[in-house]
Amino acid sequence: NAGVTQTPKFQVLKTGQSMTLQCAQDMNHNSMYWYRQDPGMGLRLIYYSASEGTTDKGEVPNGYNVSRLNKREFSLRLESAAPSQTSVYFCASNPVSGANVLTFGAGSRLTVL
Amino acid sequence: GENVEQHPSTLSVQEGDSAVIKCTYSDSASNYFPWYKQELGKRPQLIIDIRSNVGEKKDQRIAVTLNKTAKHFSLHITETQPEDSAVYFCAPSSGGSYIPTFGRGTSLIVHP
Repeated sequence: NAGVTQTPKFQVLKTGQSMTLQCAQDMNHNSMYWYRQDPGMGLRLIYYSASEGTTDKGEVPNGYNVSRLNKREFSLRLESAAPSQTSVYFCASNPVSGANVLTFGAGSRLTVL
Repeated sequence: GENVEQHPSTLSVQEGDSAVIKCTYSDSASNYFPWYKQELGKRPQLIIDIRSNVGEKKDQRIAVTLNKTAKHFSLHITETQPEDSAVYFCAPSSGGSYIPTFGRGTSLIVHP
């Protein structure tokens, strides 16, 4: 039982390049999320998927797209990376069984030069 | 949406002291109140939570108290140890929402 798995752990991009962060959970959770974490800013929600087949914008969606490929997988894509997207990205999942208990992945550190 | 504030933003204590972190929220419909701990370079992890029908919950050295009337809940850590050094986040939510709102975090530093 691996929980929430994110790849890659580290990535360096040049401005304008694209990339996809992958996330998979093996807990049969319904909801999945992508957060970014910057110093002093806490965890800010980029996009979420309440259930398979649905996605919605969070607090800071500009410059990102997501795909809920199936119940297990939720990917985050940067189409044209910008230095402002340098951050640590966390994927999380939630069984949504009366309380929003989030299980987080280990994080992906992205640097955009 | 929910407005969540944590205080203090930084807390420095000596080993063995107690630490209290407070989280205030705005949504009166909130009914689930968790605390997450994030050690340096690691992922946030749930350490304790409380539902709206309970006023206090304890788990060894940590406890959470809830004041629904005043819309705040607090994390209490007794007999602090260096391994308690971390950033702590509150993330209240309501039953009708899939989205917890995270506070900006409190950096707890425990000096040996």
